Amino acid sequence: GQQVMQIPQYQHVQEGEDFTTYCNSSTTLSNIQWYKQRPGGHPVFLIQLVKSGEVKKQKRLTFQFGEAKKNSSLHITATQTTDVGTYFCAGNAGNNRKLIWGLGTSLAVNP
Amino acid sequence: NAGVTQTPKFRILKIGQSMTLQCTQDMNHNYMYWYRQDPGMGLKLIYYSVGAGITDKGEVPNGYNVSRSTTEDFPLRLELAAPSQTSVYFCASRPTSGRETQYFGPGTRLLVL
Repeated sequence: GQQVMQIPQYQHVQEGEDFTTYCNSSTTLSNIQWYKQRPGGHPVFLIQLVKSGEVKKQKRLTFQFGEAKKNSSLHITATQTTDVGTYFCAGNAGNNRKLIWGLGTSLAVNP
Repeated sequence: NAGVTQTPKFRILKIGQSMTLQCTQDMNHNYMYWYRQDPGMGLKLIYYSVGAGITDKGEVPNGYNVSRSTTEDFPLRLELAAPSQTSVYFCASRPTSGRETQYFGPGTRLLVL
């Protein structure tokens, strides 16, 4: 079936270091969404990418959607302790009723 | 708008007991979803609905039932609780058209002993 793989599963960084998580789909996606879940919280929408090769920025966060619309990445520049949490990618593959979710990347930031 | 609300926040069940997890949204969203999230894991779709009176199975529907009699409410029913159903349950909703963002409720933590 359709799968979205996300790597790495865990990442520990020192505050100030950069962080990247990658998302790879087995099928072409119509869009990719990124969510952040703080420890003990619920997933919160960050951004949606729709166009092939699209790049969007939110302050220190940079999101990319691959040319083939099968992969995506989230890059955080100069991490802060407030970045701690699990980052999920999720995509629609034609059927817009359901999202296909990655397993998430848990980010820990040492102050 | 309150967004997506879920009750209860936390519940302990004995094996074999039943319960209903409530989910309500006030954004007039047609699409609603139930997910479960086991500790340290991702989200697994249990059931979803594209509108009142319409429900469909997700990837892990066994042991659960849903109904959608109104646009606002999407309760999840556990008939015979099992320890494997210990998890955090999230309800989410999204509009039919436009950006397909899912809005999540705060979750219900369920412990089955």
